[in-house]
Amino acid sequence: DTAVSQTPKYLVTQMGNDKSIKCEQNLGHDTMYWYKQDSKKFLKIMFSYNNKELIINETVPNRFSPKSPDKAHLNLHINSLELGDSAVYFCASSQSRTALTGNTEAFFGQGTRLTVV
Amino acid sequence: AQKVTQAQTEISVVEKEDVTLDCVYETRDTTYYLFWYKQPPSGELVFLIRRNSFDEQNEISGRYSWNFQKSTSSFNFTITASQVVDSAVYFCALRFAGTYKYIFGTGTRLKVLA
Repeated sequence: DTAVSQTPKYLVTQMGNDKSIKCEQNLGHDTMYWYKQDSKKFLKIMFSYNNKELIINETVPNRFSPKSPDKAHLNLHINSLELGDSAVYFCASSQSRTALTGNTEAFFGQGTRLTVV
Repeated sequence: AQKVTQAQTEISVVEKEDVTLDCVYETRDTTYYLFWYKQPPSGELVFLIRRNSFDEQNEISGRYSWNFQKSTSSFNFTITASQVVDSAVYFCALRFAGTYKYIFGTGTRLKVLA
């Protein structure tokens, strides 16, 4: 069983479209993240949710809207896609009770490669 | 500043050579956590190790070993007797106690040639 799964794995779409990426984790974690990896492989956090509450929002355009229907899911919706949104988006999860004390690590999904044409 | 620096952009070695990937971090916090992740060509991010700031013991796991030195703010990763399957991008990351945010270095691409 995949611990953190994202769908789709690849997404090609035209500029201006709206798209969503779904993420689910079966680890029982209560904290989930979205990271963006650009063409130079640089990984940067976008959002983090803890128990469905937004706790990190890193100066991301408001065209990006995360939604967490429950602790096991964190979806990412992107409106009016732009060429610069092309990247690999990673979902991750960790357990907050141990995250704050340090005794844990984040587990990542396999990534979603978004290409905007 | 809170920062992770991986100065080596790309390293190429021949199979069976040993290779060390450098990681230098900056922090004013006394409690923090360091990580290494591997990103193989297939693209996923695989967790390798976590180290707490108050535990400077080095760690060995098979062909992998990690050297944590607070005095130089470094957390270097050595692969002994490298194999082609070790070819990947390796990321060092930092997280502070009481936060959820992971700060990643820019990664080092390791190419192991047969």
